[in-house]
Amino acid sequence: GNSVTQMEGPVTLSEEAFLTINCTYTATGYPSLFWYVQYPGEGLQLLLKATKADDKGSNKGFEATYRKETTSFHLEKGSVQVSDSAVYFCALRVSNDYKLSFGAGTTVTVRA
Amino acid sequence: GAVVSQHPSRVICKSGTSVKIECRSLDFQATTMFWYRQFPKQSLMLMATSNEGSKATYEQGVEKDKFLINHASLTLSTLTVTSAHPEDSSFYICSARDMTVGGTDTQYFGPGTRLTVL
Repeated sequence: GNSVTQMEGPVTLSEEAFLTINCTYTATGYPSLFWYVQYPGEGLQLLLKATKADDKGSNKGFEATYRKETTSFHLEKGSVQVSDSAVYFCALRVSNDYKLSFGAGTTVTVRA
Repeated sequence: GAVVSQHPSRVICKSGTSVKIECRSLDFQATTMFWYRQFPKQSLMLMATSNEGSKATYEQGVEKDKFLINHASLTLSTLTVTSAHPEDSSFYICSARDMTVGGTDTQYFGPGTRLTVL
């Protein structure tokens, strides 16, 4: 089956610190990979995605590279801000199945 | 970007009553919508896929008679929790698939509905 494993939180950082959230997956078929962000009191928003191996998704200073050889899609940001405090979800979608499978979510808190 | 709304945002009800949650795509048509359930500090669990004009497809372990889904138009899907009990208390989230020609085939999520059953 399809599953996503992501680093457990919570993660607490100081402003301008480097953030990495690990995500690995197992999938039947060739998945597309996603990172979603959920800000306090809001719904999930698509942060970035990658649809094939070696693709790099990027948005708002965040990046993640689709690594087929390690079945990973780690999220990184070089310098976080307080406004990046949120829950981050890694997800996959197999190409012939439009359902999303989510990881457990990682809560990130950035302190000023 | 595309907007999906949910109503109500919070609902408290007595055990045994039924609760209806609406999910609307505000600026695009969605032939497919999804309903998820999110437990505290846990991930989203897909409950069912809602297809406009046809029956919903439920995930294994989800009671279709308990969680009634209706997708009567291209912009509205409803989830009715029938005879709710305290164990049904949860955060329910919908998403809508934007399949606009030339678009990105992205799922857009609603803000969620917090259901508390007393």
